[in-house]
Amino acid sequence: EAGVAQSPRYKIIEKRQSVAFWCNPISGHATLYWYQQILGQGPKLLIQFQNNGVVDDSQLPKDRFSAERLKGVDSTLKIQPAKLEDSAVYLCASTPRPNTEAFFGQGTRLTVV
Amino acid sequence: AQTVTQSQPEMSVQEAETVTLSCTYDTSESDYYLFWYKQPPSRQMILVIRQEAYKQQNATENRFSVNFQKAAKSFSLKISDSQLGDAAMYFCAYRSAGGSEKLVFGKGMKLTVNP
Repeated sequence: EAGVAQSPRYKIIEKRQSVAFWCNPISGHATLYWYQQILGQGPKLLIQFQNNGVVDDSQLPKDRFSAERLKGVDSTLKIQPAKLEDSAVYLCASTPRPNTEAFFGQGTRLTVV
Repeated sequence: AQTVTQSQPEMSVQEAETVTLSCTYDTSESDYYLFWYKQPPSRQMILVIRQEAYKQQNATENRFSVNFQKAAKSFSLKISDSQLGDAAMYFCAYRSAGGSEKLVFGKGMKLTVNP
């Protein structure tokens, strides 16, 4: 079984630029999560999708962050414009159904300079 | 809101010895799940062990076991016969049994295994 795929692995951008991350969850997994992990901290949920609907985006900075999950499969997370404090690892995870283990991708490390 | 606290930022252990990682949490819910995740330098979060709050028996997975004290809101991880491959960041996490399935993580603890 293929795991959660994320790209790119690394990205360096200047502040005020835009950036997009891509996630392909495990086939058949209905729920998809984007987490932000700032250096020295645990991951924090940004947004949760159930199929292609948003379940929880309460901690997503909506003035600059956006996310979509077209057709309930792949997802993209966008930041525009980026700030220095957005430097972090962005992790994508998926679960097949409620109350099951979350499988994580290897994340994208974003550096904003 | 639920919180998870890992008060030890770093620990070290000799290969083949036993180490215990501590975690406390705060919640007003009665039904929930607790997890320990391992994050190696590859950055991928790997589930180590899971505990359901309604189960009194402590979870065990090979060399990994937990000490779950529900009244004290404590959830420690014991690693027996430590191996070099156990070196990583370890995160304690909480998830509600109902509603949102988001994981609430602690700040993590870096484990070093000395040969």
